[in-house]
Amino acid sequence: QVQLVESGGGVVQPGRPLRLSCAASTFTFSSYTMHWVRQAPGKGLEWVAVISDDGSNKYYADSVKGRFTISRDNSKNTLYLQMNSLRPEDTAVYYCAGIAARPSQNLDYWGQGALVTVSS
Amino acid sequence: SYELTQPSSVSVSPGQTARITCSGDVLAKKYARWFQQKPGQAPVLLIYKDSERPSEIPERFSGSSSGTTVTLTISGAQVEDETDYYCYSAADNSVVFGGGTKLTVL
Repeated sequence: QVQLVESGGGVVQPGRPLRLSCAASTFTFSSYTMHWVRQAPGKGLEWVAVISDDGSNKYYADSVKGRFTISRDNSKNTLYLQMNSLRPEDTAVYYCAGIAARPSQNLDYWGQGALVTVSS
Repeated sequence: SYELTQPSSVSVSPGQTARITCSGDVLAKKYARWFQQKPGQAPVLLIYKDSERPSEIPERFSGSSSGTTVTLTISGAQVEDETDYYCYSAADNSVVFGGGTKLTVL
């Protein structure tokens, strides 16, 4: 069974950094475009960032551009999200997701989420 | 930017058919997906490519598409199906989500 497991969440003060990781198993990680998506308490889903399968292309939501950096290490089957200059409004559950992008791919894969709380 | 619109809530009695719609211009050119989200759990993919169902998903879940609207149908809804459902689509180097629909089965 495919697993995506996020880690690195926690409570952090405003302005401080935090790095999330997402470890993939039994999953052709290196062939998938990977995304970070977040969900603030009681709210809907917000797309955060995407990275292409080889890591050469990255795109960000306007709300995090310039503060967050997405990266991946295909040799370790791991996705990262470096979050700098955190704000209270960044408080959310952060999900990593492999979203099928190639014609040969069908299924999307989701992690269980990591809670990030930005509070003084 | 694209938007997807879902009803905020749908209610059915156990055994009835629940239908949840999702509308947006992006669906005219990109596939829709649906997932089920239960509190504290990973989202579960129910439907991909508008109407395809992963092998482990029960047959009572089905998807259909017409123009810029897709529909998730739960035939014979069960009490355990009461939770939140989201449609989404991948487009223009991002993912767009519907606002989510809370399904009540009682």
